[in-house]
Amino acid sequence: SAVISQKPSRDICQRGTSLTIQCQVDSQVTMMFWYRQQPGQSLTLIATANQGSEATYESGFVIDKFPISRPNLTFSTLTVSNMSPEDSSIYLCSSISTDTQYFGPGTRLTVL
Amino acid sequence: KQEVTQIPAALSVPEGENLVLNCSFTDSAIYNLQWFRQDPGKGLTSLLLIQSSQREQTSGRLNASLDKSSGRSTLYIAASQPGDSATYLCAVLYQKVTFGTGTKLQVIP
Repeated sequence: SAVISQKPSRDICQRGTSLTIQCQVDSQVTMMFWYRQQPGQSLTLIATANQGSEATYESGFVIDKFPISRPNLTFSTLTVSNMSPEDSSIYLCSSISTDTQYFGPGTRLTVL
Repeated sequence: KQEVTQIPAALSVPEGENLVLNCSFTDSAIYNLQWFRQDPGKGLTSLLLIQSSQREQTSGRLNASLDKSSGRSTLYIAASQPGDSATYLCAVLYQKVTFGTGTKLQVIP
């Protein structure tokens, strides 16, 4: 199994600012993922964070808005840039280990 | 494009009842299907994982079945308890993970 931690657990931010969310896995994993869960919605995949190369973004998400870093096999960051109230969501990072997907506790972001 | 649907969207049952949550997916080419539980404002907890070659998995009061050919999975919860109240999500994996729409369960004491 994999234990995943995220920081911060929650934040309230002003419109136009940026927030970087950190994700730490307790073991080396090949693939890490970032999801968004908007209020009352299911999870939507933002991107796959690849170690040593650029992240792979899903349709509707772009690197300028959600830059991702993956400096090693246990750590990744997601930045939410130039925030607007529509970015208010829970952001979750995830990894897959032995075909099982594990999730961090999430970061609850509120943009005023 | 894979689409995953869960029915019902919400369910309220008295404590002690057995219940079934349904998950349907449109593309049967999957590696596995996973059921998660999400408590309000929290992350996801994995409940059961069914490989594409398996028909069911059991853990305690939970039993999940998979019929890949018909694109369906069910999560059976026996003798429901108030602590089972949460949102239940199914997710299918094939190259990437696609989540269902979720079923919000409330178990009334």
